[in-house]
Amino acid sequence: NAGVMQNPRHLVRRRGQEARLRCSPMKGHSHVYWYRQLPEEGLKFMVYLQKENIIDESGMPKERFSAEFPKEGPSILRIQQVVRGDSAAYFCASSQRDRGIGETQYFGPGTRLLVL
Amino acid sequence: KQEVTQIPAALSVPEGENLVLNCSFTDSAIYNLQWFRQDPGKGLTSLLLIQSSQREQTSGRLNASLDKSSGRSTLYIAASQPGDSATYLCAVKGGSEKLVFGKGMKLTVNP
Repeated sequence: NAGVMQNPRHLVRRRGQEARLRCSPMKGHSHVYWYRQLPEEGLKFMVYLQKENIIDESGMPKERFSAEFPKEGPSILRIQQVVRGDSAAYFCASSQRDRGIGETQYFGPGTRLLVL
Repeated sequence: KQEVTQIPAALSVPEGENLVLNCSFTDSAIYNLQWFRQDPGKGLTSLLLIQSSQREQTSGRLNASLDKSSGRSTLYIAASQPGDSATYLCAVKGGSEKLVFGKGMKLTVNP
């Protein structure tokens, strides 16, 4: 059973470009979470999605950031018009929510975004 | 608003020592607490998960305890090894699905 997969692992963008980060959850998992880790900071929750639904986006910046988890394919975190402050590691996690709220979240290796 | 604190931010010890890593949280209304390990440039590996109804969990040389009423958890590492060097993160889950993380503690075990 492959773990959570994220790509690309490293992404370099110039200011103003778009960044698109992909996450494939573990097989059988239908719940995806995105977290951001800024330099010297802990991980901060961004958004929680189920297939075709955004459940909680309370940690997502109001502008430039969006996330989706379509019926088919990976979850996508999109950052438009990137700025240097977006440079961070972005982690995706997945879980089998139907086992209850105490279910473990399994994390991917992360995508490290560098904005020049 | 839940806040998670890990002190100290870094620790350097000689090989073989028994270690205690601390985690405190401000809101005791949690569903579970999880300890993770993060190696440089890598993702997070879950070490132990303690449900709110549990007092401790053990896995190999690791033992985690939870005292919900006082808002504290400890991760005990027995007989530390250089391979234990990593950043250790504590995270709690409250009434929503999101995990609230501490900033982590960077552990260095010297041979």
